[in-house]
Amino acid sequence: KQEVTQIPAALSVPEGENLVLNCSFTDSAIYNLQWFRQDPGKGLTSLLLIQSSQREQTSGRLNASLDKSSGRSTLYIAASQPGDSATYLCACGGSNYKLTFGKGTLLTVNP
Amino acid sequence: GAGVSQSPRYKVAKRGQDVALRCDPISGHVSLFWYQQALGQGPEFLTYFQNEAQLDKSGLPSDRFFAERPEGSVSTLKIQRTQQEDSAVYLCASSISGGNTIYFGEGSWLTVV
Repeated sequence: KQEVTQIPAALSVPEGENLVLNCSFTDSAIYNLQWFRQDPGKGLTSLLLIQSSQREQTSGRLNASLDKSSGRSTLYIAASQPGDSATYLCACGGSNYKLTFGKGTLLTVNP
Repeated sequence: GAGVSQSPRYKVAKRGQDVALRCDPISGHVSLFWYQQALGQGPEFLTYFQNEAQLDKSGLPSDRFFAERPEGSVSTLKIQRTQQEDSAVYLCASSISGGNTIYFGEGSWLTVV
């Protein structure tokens, strides 16, 4: 059974700092890996999707990497802003496209 | 609409009551998923539809949970004889096809009292 772990559980940084969120998974036989953002009381917003054959994806200030062999992914956020404050969730895509999620990292960016 | 729409947004049910949660996916999206999210946890997979076919229901916690998508668009998640442990946010998501970017609704918040 796939297990996804996210470290740290919470992170507080000053505005402008670059930061890295970590995700690890136990079963490397994944279809894809996605990073989501969740704001309080809201649904999830997809940030980046990395297919199993890819190593990384970039969107604006966000960069996500995938290393299947070591069971790791990282989400890099450059020049963080208060509006980046949210919970960030990592999810591995498996059979029937079902996603297995980590518990998330709660990010607070202080002005 | 432009996104995945869920209703009701909030539901308070008395223990033992039946509830029905509705999901309107993005038009044209073949794949539809239901997830359950407890407070402070990541979402947990419940079930997956491809058009009207329910291809995976391995995540449904018990036979009190039932999902359908009869015409391949709108889906309903039904919970019979609700229990307190059913209290959670129920998230619906859709994608144009399996393996592509998935879009979530804002969820139906169920509280069983």
